[in-house]
Amino acid sequence: AQRVTQPEKLLSVFKGAPVELKCNYSYSGSPELFWYVQYSRQRLQLLLRHISRESIKGFTADLNKGETSFHLKKPFAQEEDSAMYYCALSGRTQNGNKLVFGAGTILRVKS
Amino acid sequence: GAGVSQTPSNKVTEKGKYVELRCDPISGHTALYWYRQSLGQGPEFLIYFQGTGAADDSGLPNDRFFAVRPEGSVSTLKIQRTERGDSAVYLCASSLGGGLGAFFGQGTRLTVV
Repeated sequence: AQRVTQPEKLLSVFKGAPVELKCNYSYSGSPELFWYVQYSRQRLQLLLRHISRESIKGFTADLNKGETSFHLKKPFAQEEDSAMYYCALSGRTQNGNKLVFGAGTILRVKS
Repeated sequence: GAGVSQTPSNKVTEKGKYVELRCDPISGHTALYWYRQSLGQGPEFLIYFQGTGAADDSGLPNDRFFAVRPEGSVSTLKIQRTERGDSAVYLCASSLGGGLGAFFGQGTRLTVV
């Protein structure tokens, strides 16, 4: 079964402080991991994908298969980063790729 | 349009009524997903289409929920005999393939009174 766990409901940091949003997953095969972000009154949007190994808006995430984690990090938080962040996993099943989400973490960046 | 479009954006219905929620995916996207999101929760998987067929409907809560995608493009989520507990935002997403991520619509807020 595919499962994504985001242990923190809320993470509050000061502007300029480092950010780490935790994500752990459970999946028996080779997963594809994603981070999605939802800003206030906007639709859910893709932030980054582990296969791209990219940095978007200063955020990075590294897949750690040993720890089954895909934590999202940013060295210096900005106020505009305040949003809801969801970690998601796409796992190949016999019927294709099912995408499941964690419960989400609210990031609040204080000035 | 360029993005995933969902209609209506808001729907208020009486308990026991039937509702249909529509999703127009991004042109060319073969995968289509339906999710339900309650306040303070992450998107809860309902059903996933690959082309015209429902590849995985394991998230549908009961047989009152049904979804179709007859031509491999537009999809309709149908809810029969609505209950107050069905009230939520229903999200649709489409994708070219598993590793590419999915693009979401703005959602339909369903309120059952």
